[in-house]
Amino acid sequence: DQQVKQNSPSLSVQEGRISILNCDYTNSMFDYFLWYKKYPAEGPTFLISISSIKDKNEDGRFTVFLNKSAKHLSLHIVPSQPGDSAVYFCAAHRDDKIIFGKGTRLHILP
Amino acid sequence: NAGVTQTPKFQVLKTGQSMTLQCAQDMNHEYMSWYRQDPGMGLRLIHYSVGAGITDQGEVPNGYNVSRSTTEDFPLRLLSAAPSQTSVYFCASSYRERLEQFFGPGTRLTVL
Repeated sequence: DQQVKQNSPSLSVQEGRISILNCDYTNSMFDYFLWYKKYPAEGPTFLISISSIKDKNEDGRFTVFLNKSAKHLSLHIVPSQPGDSAVYFCAAHRDDKIIFGKGTRLHILP
Repeated sequence: NAGVTQTPKFQVLKTGQSMTLQCAQDMNHEYMSWYRQDPGMGLRLIHYSVGAGITDQGEVPNGYNVSRSTTEDFPLRLLSAAPSQTSVYFCASSYRERLEQFFGPGTRLTVL
């Protein structure tokens, strides 16, 4: 049973506009959430995280929002840039395990 | 500071062969983990370790063994390779109290 779900396999956004990537989870015991970015033939790199006791965390162009009642989090990228084209993974932590979603491929259009 | 290193980068095995994927980190991280990435499946946790001498199973541990004799090294062993183990394998590490993992570049494994 998939505990971390990214239901959009891909997303295309115009350069300069906002990119919104979504993630849903089923386990209410997750206490920390993370977003990673991955380019082809490279390992994932950490982007931003949020504790389950917060509802928003911001770092430059990246903001993560957490809605615990809906078991939903989203990553906002503003403004989107060509270098943001990559696969984005949502991940959740509980009991020393970090579980990843299947990823969303973001295409930034010129 | 090399970060997380993985060897080999590529490997081809025949069904039934055994091999060890190597992972090392030089950041004195307590936590280390192994993931596999398959098309359409995302990253799935195989095994993890919270410190030397301590390992535990992740989501897909069958067919894999691990050990953690030192803080720096966390090898992943395939005892009898199967075609279903064809995948890209990533090793990662972090401080235990900070969950942001650093990933290695990956090992692409093909089992024929």
